[in-house]
Amino acid sequence: NAGVTQTPKFQVLKTGQSMTLQCAQDMNHEYMSWYRQDPGMGLRLIHYSVGAGITDQGEVPNGYNVSRSTTEDFPLRLLSAAPSQTSVYFCASSYAVGTGRDSPLHFGNGTRLTVT
Amino acid sequence: SQQGEEDPQALSIQEGENATMNCSYKTSINNLQWYRQNSGRGLVHLILIRSNEREKHSGRLRVTLDTSKKSSSLLITASRAADTASYFCATVVSSNTGKLIFGQGTTLQVKP
Repeated sequence: NAGVTQTPKFQVLKTGQSMTLQCAQDMNHEYMSWYRQDPGMGLRLIHYSVGAGITDQGEVPNGYNVSRSTTEDFPLRLLSAAPSQTSVYFCASSYAVGTGRDSPLHFGNGTRLTVT
Repeated sequence: SQQGEEDPQALSIQEGENATMNCSYKTSINNLQWYRQNSGRGLVHLILIRSNEREKHSGRLRVTLDTSKKSSSLLITASRAADTASYFCATVVSSNTGKLIFGQGTTLQVKP
């Protein structure tokens, strides 16, 4: 059971380049989300999805796009990378959300992104 | 702004001692969760406490929740060097969406 898989592990981009961070889970989880982690800032929610075809913005969505065409995959797109997007990105999923069904998040091991 | 704030930001103790970390939050919650992060890794879920619960135990972990003070604490008893990690609290602020908002974390160092 692979859990949550993120690729790539490391990436260096130049300002203005685009890329997609991949996230896949094999646990049939409804809920998926993307966080960024910066020193002194903790984890901040970028985008999340409560099921296939449904996405919504988190705390810091600007500069990022997401889509959820399947239950398994939740890619994060940077259309025009900026140095401020240098960070460690984590994808996380959980079985279900909603009153009485809240379950813990399962995290991937992260993608370390540097934008020069 | 962050929903949860942990205190202290850093904690250093000797093996065998107890470690207490506190978390304060701002808005009403459905549940509060604690996670651990080892260096260079993703977060791992430790314990979830619902808003109608006051205390919960899991092995050497004890979590309390005071909704009137909007605060929670995580106690690790008889700490081990392997407990060295960062610890985060996270709150679910919306039962419809399940949005989970994290605090900034407490870095715990347990010296052997």
